Amino acid sequence: EPEVTQTPSHQVTQMGQEVILRCVPISNHLYFYWYRQILGQKVEFLVSFYNNEISEKSEIFDDQFSVERPDGSNFTLKIRSTKLEDSAMYFCASSHRKETQYFGPGTRLLVL
Amino acid sequence: DQQVKQNSPSLSVQEGRISILNCDYTNSMFDYFLWYKKYPAEGPTFLISISSIKDKNEDGRFTVFLNKSAKHLSLHIVPSQPGDSAVYFCAASPVNTDKLIFGTGTRLQVFP
Repeated sequence: EPEVTQTPSHQVTQMGQEVILRCVPISNHLYFYWYRQILGQKVEFLVSFYNNEISEKSEIFDDQFSVERPDGSNFTLKIRSTKLEDSAMYFCASSHRKETQYFGPGTRLLVL
Repeated sequence: DQQVKQNSPSLSVQEGRISILNCDYTNSMFDYFLWYKKYPAEGPTFLISISSIKDKNEDGRFTVFLNKSAKHLSLHIVPSQPGDSAVYFCAASPVNTDKLIFGTGTRLQVFP
């Protein structure tokens, strides 16, 4: 069964450093998303991406964040200058229709 | 942001019996509702969804009921199995957007 994959599974970085989280969505899906879950909190929407552009973003997704689909398979989330409060699980998701989003296993980001 | 609420943090059910997980929402402008299961250190796994124009959707052991007048939905698992032990999240998608707004989750434990 096709699945969303994410790399790395864990990332530790120093505050102020740039990180890139990678995702490979399910191959025939056209809609891509990033969510995050801070420890003990809800899963929160960050951004959705369709047709090579951002279709919606949350208040969390400020200028420090960017997304890209550099080729036909990868979907990346970049955080330019990480802050302590960026520490969270980051989930990528993809879908071919609104009512079913499939999530990857997540990347645990720890900012020191 | 309390648009989607799961008021029971945990539920314990005996194997073979029915598990009922509940979710309340405050926004009438949701058009899809989804249920996810999550194991520790994994991403959310899609279970079942329901459109706001329906009041029931069934898939194998999983049935979701939607009561729009009460702004309430529930997930029924029959019969419950030990492998169902996980955290269950309900999520809702507002009209004209495909982002998901998650509840806080309910931890289900199915014991033999």
